Amino acid sequence: QQQVKQSPQSLIVQKGGISIINCAYENTAFDYFPWYQQFPGKGPALLIAIRPDVSEKKEGRFTISFNKSAKQFSLHIMDSQPGDSATYFCAAITDSWGKFQFGAGTQVVVTP
Amino acid sequence: EAQVTQNPRYLITVTGKKLTVTCSQNMNHEYMSWYRQDPGLGLRQIYYSMNVEVTDKGDVPEGYKVSRKEKRNFPLILESPSPNQTSLYFCASREYTGELFFGEGSRLTVL
Repeated sequence: QQQVKQSPQSLIVQKGGISIINCAYENTAFDYFPWYQQFPGKGPALLIAIRPDVSEKKEGRFTISFNKSAKQFSLHIMDSQPGDSATYFCAAITDSWGKFQFGAGTQVVVTP
Repeated sequence: EAQVTQNPRYLITVTGKKLTVTCSQNMNHEYMSWYRQDPGLGLRQIYYSMNVEVTDKGDVPEGYKVSRKEKRNFPLILESPSPNQTSLYFCASREYTGELFFGEGSRLTVL
């Protein structure tokens, strides 16, 4: 039973468009919310992360929006590029527990 | 170069034949963990270790064992593999907080 629910399962976006991936969680003890990017044949790599004391974090074309009251967070990829085509995972963890919970993943395809 | 190294990267074995997947990190990280990745299910945590000699179950520990005798190594042991353990396995490490660094993965097939 997944504690972090991720949607959509897949999405196709045109080059230059915006990709939006959503995640929802139940456990209010989570205190670290990272997003990972995975290319075929590779391990996941950290893309961007946020802690619940801020509502938004931006790094280049990637932005996390965090809504603590709704227990939701999302990844926005602005000006999507073909090189962004990958699988994206959201995750949540309580640092003191050490148990990572990952979403099921979203396969993003950016068409030229 | 900072990295998490897993071996073997690919393995085909038969039901019941014990196997070990090794994991080593060179970043002096306290925390290490194992995951399996299956289509539609994402990454599920098998075991984790907050520091040496301390291990805890993740969400799917059945059929797996681990040990953390030294800081850099965290092997995953399948005592009697079954076909439902066919999967892509990842080892990862981190400091007590912050970024989780993943290995390249080990693709295991159990016939």
